Amino acid sequence: DPKIIQKPKYLVAVTGSEKILICEQYLGHNAMYWYRQSAKKPLEFMFSYSYQKLMDNQTASSRFQPQSSKKNHLDLQITALKPDDSATYFCASSQRLGGKETLYFGSGTRLTVL
Amino acid sequence: GDSVTQTEGQVTVSESKSLIINCTYSATSIGYPNLFWYVRYPGEGLQLLLKVITAGQKGSSRGFEATYNKEATSFHLQKASVQESDSAVYYCALSVGTQVVGQLTFGRGTRLQVYA
Repeated sequence: DPKIIQKPKYLVAVTGSEKILICEQYLGHNAMYWYRQSAKKPLEFMFSYSYQKLMDNQTASSRFQPQSSKKNHLDLQITALKPDDSATYFCASSQRLGGKETLYFGSGTRLTVL
Repeated sequence: GDSVTQTEGQVTVSESKSLIINCTYSATSIGYPNLFWYVRYPGEGLQLLLKVITAGQKGSSRGFEATYNKEATSFHLQKASVQESDSAVYYCALSVGTQVVGQLTFGRGTRLQVYA
């Protein structure tokens, strides 16, 4: 059974709309992350959360807002969607290990913005 | 900033042949690099294949090996005899201990196609 669940697997949205990407982890980890992979680009770090608090934000746009309702949940709300937001979004989790974290990833949500 | 280079976008190998997927890195952040290989099989998410956090050490998993070469700043992935089931995309990644927690710098990935 997958230990990191991302929903939905595929998502199509129109420009200007808003979507929420869901992530739940059942590994008992205390940190969660979002990464993005756009076409022909490497995976890029977006956010990190620990104990439901934002640790780091490497995303320039405020249109991307993580939301953590429980310690094993980290959803990603994206507002005013643009075609450039089309990408696969990966959720990950880890235990905090003082800089030696090993991240475990979900299977991703592929977002297409028309 | 930090960077990871995988020179081959795609590699095609015959089953039972040996494999090397190249990975070099540049770590400008202060701290000690930790190196990882992740794999993504068709239709699945990223899976950790192996990691090495100490220079000079070798990591291994599922028949794959990679040695953390600090002098050459390399972390090449090798396997002596590949199987069709190894067909996947392989990603080399780097984290530096004192930088942003959980921030991995990834290479672009190398798609491995193994044919019978």
